[in-house]
Amino acid sequence: QSALTQPPSASGSPGQSVTISCTGTSSDVGGYNYVSWYQQHPGKAPKLMIYEVNKRPSGVPDRFSGSKSGNTASLTVSGLQVEDEADYHCSSYAGSNTLVFGTGTKVTV
Amino acid sequence: QVQLQESGPGVVKPSETLSLTCGVSNYSITRGYYWGWIRQPPGKGLEWIGNIHHSGNAHYNPSLKSRVTESVDTSKNQFSLRLSSVTAADTAIYFCARLVAGTEFDFWGQGALVTVSS
Repeated sequence: QSALTQPPSASGSPGQSVTISCTGTSSDVGGYNYVSWYQQHPGKAPKLMIYEVNKRPSGVPDRFSGSKSGNTASLTVSGLQVEDEADYHCSSYAGSNTLVFGTGTKVTV
Repeated sequence: QVQLQESGPGVVKPSETLSLTCGVSNYSITRGYYWGWIRQPPGKGLEWIGNIHHSGNAHYNPSLKSRVTESVDTSKNQFSLRLSSVTAADTAIYFCARLVAGTEFDFWGQGALVTVSS
């Protein structure tokens, strides 16, 4: 069970969009529609932003959206705001009641 | 609002056993869901450790399975993690969280830093 691959960093100006990729295999990302995304500010606990590939929990702005194609999932943040600057982590169900997280991406606004 | 709080020693000696407890407030763990542990080495990404149900049924990360034991104390509404034979590589912030639908964590504790050092 290897960590999902994310780019170390991504950036954008306020108002722009940024997309983060999360690449796994057919045993995790590609095999199930159970990809989640978490936002983590420094010194804080992660916060669930997207679940089941493209669903948003109550209270998460619709600027955050998720998608998946094959073994790669993506998180897009539109209309970037200063408070969106954080680390973002993806995770996926990996079968047999196991989960795997991504390597994490630092987003700079 | 469901609240979780990790507690336990901040320093553990190499080869010894790391023990942490997660207290849950405003929600009875017997109502359902699995409850999980996740860790984050300093400056690195998250790593799933395992999940446990109030019935005692547990699932572990295959890479840690030989060293991990999780348990539940329903009378205290808390669950616990034990990680044996620790090394410096086990130094991390340890989070507890509620697992929804078996695939995502919706409520998290603030995290507890555990350092493995002699």
